[in-house]
Amino acid sequence: DIQLTQSPSFLSASVGDRVTITCRASQGISSYLAWYQQKPGKAPKLLIYAASTLQSGVPSRFSGSGSGTEFTLTISSLQPEDFATYYCQQLYSYPSITFGQGTRLEIK
Amino acid sequence: EVQLVESGGGLVQPGGSLRLSCAASGFTVSSNYMSWVRQAPGKGLEWVSVIYSGGSTYYADSVKGRFTISRDNSKNTLYLQMNSLRAEDTAVYYCARDNKAIVGATRNAYDIWGQGTMVTVSS
Repeated sequence: DIQLTQSPSFLSASVGDRVTITCRASQGISSYLAWYQQKPGKAPKLLIYAASTLQSGVPSRFSGSGSGTEFTLTISSLQPEDFATYYCQQLYSYPSITFGQGTRLEIK
Repeated sequence: EVQLVESGGGLVQPGGSLRLSCAASGFTVSSNYMSWVRQAPGKGLEWVSVIYSGGSTYYADSVKGRFTISRDNSKNTLYLQMNSLRAEDTAVYYCARDNKAIVGATRNAYDIWGQGTMVTVSS
């Protein structure tokens, strides 16, 4: 199985900050990576697919980059509604897709 | 409106069975790749199963032989039959659409999710 490791697991930041979350794959996965946002008690929401393509309706302050084994999700200027948990997902080893362990983003 | 609505969760004893349903609206289940993903309390997301538009089915090793994914085209509904349930199956179960049939194999992701249904396995 392809393992995804997110760092950091926990992040404390302030409104207006620029934050970056990293996702590392245990083997190369090309650009078969997606990012999701999940708020407490809610389903995950797709933010980014194919490593860097913004899902329709997602604010442009979210961006993704990377290929191979290292990927990043960047939020350019944190808004209050962005405080949530973020997951990366690899779809390279379809159908056995895997998720990262999550990064919890909290208000400082 | 495009949406997925799960139902069927609840409390079941170890060794018991439960069937989850996921009713779709705004799109056709049988034309898409549909998955189940679960999340144990306080934990991350775990892929459980997928059914392809062509009908092929696949399972995580942790549920293989115990869970069965299926669909009813006339009801536009996805199902997950869960047998021989264990305490470690306790989780919120989400159904999700993989948009692979729409965007192709290199740009797909899970673009529509249900609200989730809680399954608790306990005596």
